[in-house]
Parts: sequence; C-alpha cells; structure tokens
Amino acid sequence: GAVVSQHPSWVICKSGTSVKIECRSLDFQATTMFWYRQFPKQSLMLMATSNEGSKATYEQGVEKDKFLINHASLTLSTLTVTSAHPEDSSFYICSARPMNTEAFFGQGTRLTVV
Amino acid sequence: GQSLEQPSEVTAVEGAIVQINCTYQTSGFYGLSWYQQHDGGAPTFLSYNALDGLEETGRFSSFLSRSDSYGYLLLQELQMKDSASYFCAVSPLIKAAGNKLTFGGGTRVLVKP
Repeated sequence: GAVVSQHPSWVICKSGTSVKIECRSLDFQATTMFWYRQFPKQSLMLMATSNEGSKATYEQGVEKDKFLINHASLTLSTLTVTSAHPEDSSFYICSARPMNTEAFFGQGTRLTVV
Repeated sequence: GQSLEQPSEVTAVEGAIVQINCTYQTSGFYGLSWYQQHDGGAPTFLSYNALDGLEETGRFSSFLSRSDSYGYLLLQELQMKDSASYFCAVSPLIKAAGNKLTFGGGTRVLVKP
C-alpha cells in the first residue's frame, strides 16, 4: 500500500509559538491531502483539504489564519499551528487517498502546548 | 451533510464475535469504509463496501445496505490485539468535496481474556 510519513510524531511547545507539521507521500504523488484533528477518545474531525498548488479548503469552524496549510509539491503538505495555545493540544493526522478507496494515514503528531 | 452513528463501546471475550453497526444519514456517498485505530496510533484501513452486500477479509467482514441506511463490521474469532477503536467512514458524492472522508464517532472494542 501507499506510504504517508508525518513528522514530528510529537512536539511540546510554549504558548504563543508556532509549530509546523509535515506530511509526505513517499511512493505516490498526492494532489490532495487531508488534515484531521483528534481529541482523546473522540473521532477524527476533518480540519481542511490541502490542494497542491492552490489554497486549502477549510471545514466550517476551522480558523484558516490559525491553521496554515501549504501544499507546495506533489509529495509534501504542511500544517502550521500559529500562536499555539493549550486548547490546541491534540493529535493531528494527515492522510491521502490516491485511489479514491483506501485512505492512508501518517503516524500522527501529538501536540502539547504548555 | 453526513452523519454516521456507532455504538460508543463494546466488550467481548477472546474467540467471540462482535458486530459494530453504523447507521447513517447522508445525501449520497461512494462507499462505506471501516478503519481500525489502536490507542496512540494512526487509523488503518480494514474494509470497503462500494455496493450492497458482504465483503469478507479474513476474520473481518463488512456489510452495507443502502436501502436500510446502515452497515456493519463483523469481527470474528476475537483476539486480544483486536482491542482498538473502529470507525466507519463515507466519502460524499459531491464533486466539490473531493474524496475526503467523514468519520463516525467510533466504537471502542475491549477484548477480555
């Protein structure tokens, strides 16, 4: 199956700083990637759809100026959490669906804002 | 929009059979998928139903009935390693939505010895 790599797997940052999370497709080209957020014991909530070479599409209620998404190449999408606050602490996961059936997920990034 | 309902938790013993139902309200979708997620890990794909009926993949089977707006995941011969969360998911038929997935609330399965 396709491989999606996400980095870092965990990060601790101070309140007010920014954190960048990378998501790479290792063996396929992804014109579209998806960013999810997951709180403990809850489901995956789609934050935004990352589109290569164009602006991301954000889900309702997600602040685009706080969660900056860049998809500059066919194998890399980045999510930057700007001016992070403790309430942004969560598990962030990226995914891609190269064949429109099975979705492949990165390992996830556990963000803790202190 | 899409709304998918699952039981929140199921407990069973090793060797048992568990059925996780997923009822949905949606304007239309391509297919119903199932994913497994262990605590702290990423979701992994289990099964996909594009058409009505049963899909069997080893110990796991999935079923879809569009006329009844529901599907289920069947876990047979339960093993301790099957303790995880299971999510159903759909991809909407709206072209503008791309191929994004909307997930159900998830079902935590706890397997006891």
